Amino acid sequence: DQQVKQNSPSLSVQEGRISILNCDYTNSMFDYFLWYKKYPAEGPTFLISISSIKDKNEDGRFTVFLNKSAKHLSLHIVPSQPGDSAVYFCAASSGGSNYKLTFGKGTLLTVNP
Amino acid sequence: NAGVMQNPRHLVRRRGQEARLRCSPMKGHSHVYWYRQLPEEGLKFMVYLQKENIIDESGMPKERFSAEFPKEGPSILRIQQVVRGDSAAYFCASSPNIMEGILGTEAFFGQGTRLTVV
Repeated sequence: DQQVKQNSPSLSVQEGRISILNCDYTNSMFDYFLWYKKYPAEGPTFLISISSIKDKNEDGRFTVFLNKSAKHLSLHIVPSQPGDSAVYFCAASSGGSNYKLTFGKGTLLTVNP
Repeated sequence: NAGVMQNPRHLVRRRGQEARLRCSPMKGHSHVYWYRQLPEEGLKFMVYLQKENIIDESGMPKERFSAEFPKEGPSILRIQQVVRGDSAAYFCASSPNIMEGILGTEAFFGQGTRLTVV
């Protein structure tokens, strides 16, 4: 039972354009969401998070949007850079157990120069 | 994050052998979390430990798997009698304090140990 779904295994974008990575979840108890970036042979690196009391959080080129009614969140990267090429994981937690994250399978983003 | 050290980076074991994975948290961090990533899957929570205590092991298989975080030394994830299905990347993360230790800004993952069972 996959509670966090990233339906696009891969995404290719031109440098300078917007990258939009999507994530859907099924568990209505999730109240905290995070995005991680992972390069090959490295551990995941935290990017940005959002609490369920908000619908948007912005940090530099990265913005996360949360649509609770649709159980959907997205990560926008503007402008995209070649160094952004990595696997992006969406993760969620509930009830304050924010160490117990449920991850999606990831989306491989390739930013072409 | 290079601050969380996992070793070995790669481990090959034959079926039935034991695997020991080590995780040294970042300096000043007293909370350790183990996650496993099976091929083509997302990371899955296994266990959360503090020094000398297992806080939450709800994600760990009941048999063959154990974890510890002794007063001195690294955290150890031990898998006895490994099977092919144990082949995965095992990631450790650490944080300084659970109240702030949301797996986000205050917590960091190591580079992982890739276990291959042949």
